Amino acid sequence: DSGVTQTPKHLITATGQRVTLRCSPRSGDLSVYWYQQSLDQGLQFLIQYYNGEERAKGNILERFSAQQFPDLHSELNLSSLELGDSALYFCASTRGGRELYNEQFFGPGTRLTVL
Amino acid sequence: AQSVAQPEDQVNVAEGNPLTVKCTYSVSGNPYLFWYVQYPNRGLQFLLKYITGDNLVKGSYGFEAEFNKSQTSFHLKKPSALVSDSALYFCAVRVPAENTDKLIFGTGTRLQVFP
Repeated sequence: DSGVTQTPKHLITATGQRVTLRCSPRSGDLSVYWYQQSLDQGLQFLIQYYNGEERAKGNILERFSAQQFPDLHSELNLSSLELGDSALYFCASTRGGRELYNEQFFGPGTRLTVL
Repeated sequence: AQSVAQPEDQVNVAEGNPLTVKCTYSVSGNPYLFWYVQYPNRGLQFLLKYITGDNLVKGSYGFEAEFNKSQTSFHLKKPSALVSDSALYFCAVRVPAENTDKLIFGTGTRLQVFP
């Protein structure tokens, strides 16, 4: 158990809908990262938050957004969903700062299915 | 562009035999390199990392990896494979010179250990 929790585990929804994925980092971790894992794109970095502020952006679509709250949990919002958004969404956390040598700890993921 | 390559989609090995999962990278500057393992329906688990120093790094579950700067490789190895090692393995790189925390992942290699 990495200490990173994600809810829900599974999500099934229809095209055009909006969903929210939730992540709670390990105790004491200030940085949260979101990744998307799909068969055709592999594991792609979406976005990072550090202590409530956006720190880095990757291949995140404009239909997607995220935020990190004062209690450090994070939410990833996916809107106007398309079939191609079906994937596993992972959250990871680290202590944060500029300690780039630290490994990231991953949650169990949320499997999103768009029908 | 920074990238990581895992040239083999799948590696098959008999239990008790040594295993190697290959990883090469293409980055500007000195990289930080990581290996993660993903079991079915689970998140990624950290195995080991190379930051600096000794080129041979040891990690969890008896795995080790060798950093080779001239060949830009970071192959994962284990002297004696177990059936329970069967999983999906990801190599990842972080480029400190870019001052970003994000990990760039390879496409993954599925390791199958046969009894």
